[in-house]
Amino acid sequence: AQSVTQPDIHITVSEGASLELRCNYSYGATPYLFWYVQSPGQGLQLLLKYFSGDTLVQGIKGFEAEFKRSQSSFNLRKPSVHWSDAAEYFCAVGKAAGNKLTFGGGTRVLVKP
Amino acid sequence: NAGVMQNPRHLVRRRGQEARLRCSPMKGHSHVYWYRQLPEEGLKFMVYLQKENIIDESGMPKERFSAEFPKEGPSILRIQQVVRGDSAAYFCASSPPGSQNTEAFFGQGTRLTVV
Repeated sequence: AQSVTQPDIHITVSEGASLELRCNYSYGATPYLFWYVQSPGQGLQLLLKYFSGDTLVQGIKGFEAEFKRSQSSFNLRKPSVHWSDAAEYFCAVGKAAGNKLTFGGGTRVLVKP
Repeated sequence: NAGVMQNPRHLVRRRGQEARLRCSPMKGHSHVYWYRQLPEEGLKFMVYLQKENIIDESGMPKERFSAEFPKEGPSILRIQQVVRGDSAAYFCASSPPGSQNTEAFFGQGTRLTVV
């Protein structure tokens, strides 16, 4: 069975500092990997996705993620966070066919001024 | 092109009542997925539907929950005889046919509160 682990439940970062959110997955085949962001009371917005090809993926809002098969990881990074990046971030893995996703527990990011 | 529309956004039900949650997929999308997000948790897959067919309901509770996606109209997630533990945010996502290499688009969710 597939699973996703986000080890950090909360992260506090200063505005302008770099951010890295960890994601480890367990999956028996080539995974389809996603990062979503959820602002309070809102739905999920896709930040980026990895299906194949270049293992460094660029997304929206200045985010990027790197797929490392040997480590079963798909960590999300941003060089310089903005106050508007305060939200909850979810990593997810899906099958090649269809979009039934398994989500991690989420990481809540707080941005200090 | 409107996104995935869910209504109502907020729903309050008393224990024992029925809850009906609606999801209109994006135009041209024929695949619908329902997820549940319990407080302080990630999203959990419930059911995957295509028009008039349930493809995968492995995440649906065995009792009181049902889902449909008729030929015409929105997808409906129905919860009968709600209990306090059903309080959660329910999200719908949709994707187009042949979704091998596309992501699903999520709605804003319906927040169900059972009192």
